[in-house]
Amino acid sequence: EAQVTQNPRYLITVTGKKLTVTCSQNMNHEYMSWYRQDPGLGLRQIYYSMNVEVTDKGDVPEGYKVSRKEKRNFPLILESPSPNQTSLYFCASRDRYEQYFGPGTRLTVT
Amino acid sequence: AQSVAQPEDQVNVAEGNPLTVKCTYSVSGNPYLFWYVQYPNRGLQFLLKYITGDNLVKGSYGFEAEFNKSQTSFHLKKPSALVSDSALYFCAVRDGSGGYQKVTFGTGTKLQVIP
Repeated sequence: EAQVTQNPRYLITVTGKKLTVTCSQNMNHEYMSWYRQDPGLGLRQIYYSMNVEVTDKGDVPEGYKVSRKEKRNFPLILESPSPNQTSLYFCASRDRYEQYFGPGTRLTVT
Repeated sequence: AQSVAQPEDQVNVAEGNPLTVKCTYSVSGNPYLFWYVQYPNRGLQFLLKYITGDNLVKGSYGFEAEFNKSQTSFHLKKPSALVSDSALYFCAVRDGSGGYQKVTFGTGTKLQVIP
């Protein structure tokens, strides 16, 4: 089954404790991205990747890092999380037109 | 810069009635337009897209959308709403003129279908 997986689905952490949210796709897509969803703001792009070792900032990259060492994986790293990064995060991969989204990771930073 | 506006935070419609969820966009090149749906505690699912061709595009679950270039709109429609259509709907736009093409999402419209 074609899918995008994310882990963990839910995470509660404390300010400053480094964390990584994993993302993997099995569709051999070159393009992947990370979004955060906040009420009233819709989806905002954090980072995207056009291919292995090619990444760039989206609209809200501050406080986040990514890496793309393999085509299928695109982890999101929060080196020092803060409460304003409490949000719902989605990973997505894309073919020529359509984006395929993961199930989401709900992150709470206290 | 490209943008998407979904002017209604929430749309209420009675089951069996037609529904419309509005979307207008701004993009400098050729618009690629999309609708996605999000059910509670789920990721976004693709509904339909406009790339080129017929202005009326049909998608999943009986939904359709009409591309109107002069009004820069891409409203989502369904002839007869179901309670199961209740969800959060997102419109998105991408510049199809070539090169890297970022996707911009609207803020979402919550559709409530009343039994």
